[in-house]
Amino acid sequence: GAGVSQTPSNKVTEKGKYVELRCDPISGHTALYWYRQSLGQGPEFLIYFQGTGAADDSGLPNDRFFAVRPEGSVSTLKIQRTERGDSAVYLCASSYGTSGGQETQYFGPGTRLLVL
Amino acid sequence: KQEVTQIPAALSVPEGENLVLNCSFTDSAIYNLQWFRQDPGKGLTSLLLIQSSQREQTSGRLNASLDKSSGRSTLYIAASQPGDSATYLCAVRRKDSNYQLIWGAGTKLIIKP
Repeated sequence: GAGVSQTPSNKVTEKGKYVELRCDPISGHTALYWYRQSLGQGPEFLIYFQGTGAADDSGLPNDRFFAVRPEGSVSTLKIQRTERGDSAVYLCASSYGTSGGQETQYFGPGTRLLVL
Repeated sequence: KQEVTQIPAALSVPEGENLVLNCSFTDSAIYNLQWFRQDPGKGLTSLLLIQSSQREQTSGRLNASLDKSSGRSTLYIAASQPGDSATYLCAVRRKDSNYQLIWGAGTKLIIKP
């Protein structure tokens, strides 16, 4: 596709439920990032993939959060036993992954998660 | 710990005015700094990226400056238009982590026709 896509665009769930958020990066981008953005705040880094592996998952808040990228393209962010505090916009970004810190990250529109 | 602050949190100006948005960061050991635009329901769009060795970058009506030693960056918007209304965020990339972006909370800009 032309840009990063994320599905669903909105997700409403009940406390304690399991959710999956999907990110489809720009074709050919080997680097993929997940961020979380709470209302009125800037995005907060969660995890970074280079290819299929999670190069840095230090931003994941706890073990209820997990992300995979099995074929080095699409990624899924999984949240178990959701809590109201998980409500936020989850942003995905991708980049070429070949130039280290010099490259621009391209962002998707985000998934707005609301935990009731 | 790197912290990024943006002031003001919100700004409303009449169309046609020139304006400046401010970004400050606490640790000058950065790889680069980026300015992004965020529209409601849409993703973040990169506007300008300034490498740590650069002083400014320009794109159309936008000019971003970087003073690394003082921990400051400004985004100058010339001849503002209603279509410029959005939230503007700055983010720094730490030198010890080329991919992690540390973000400010943004400035919500409204341009009144």
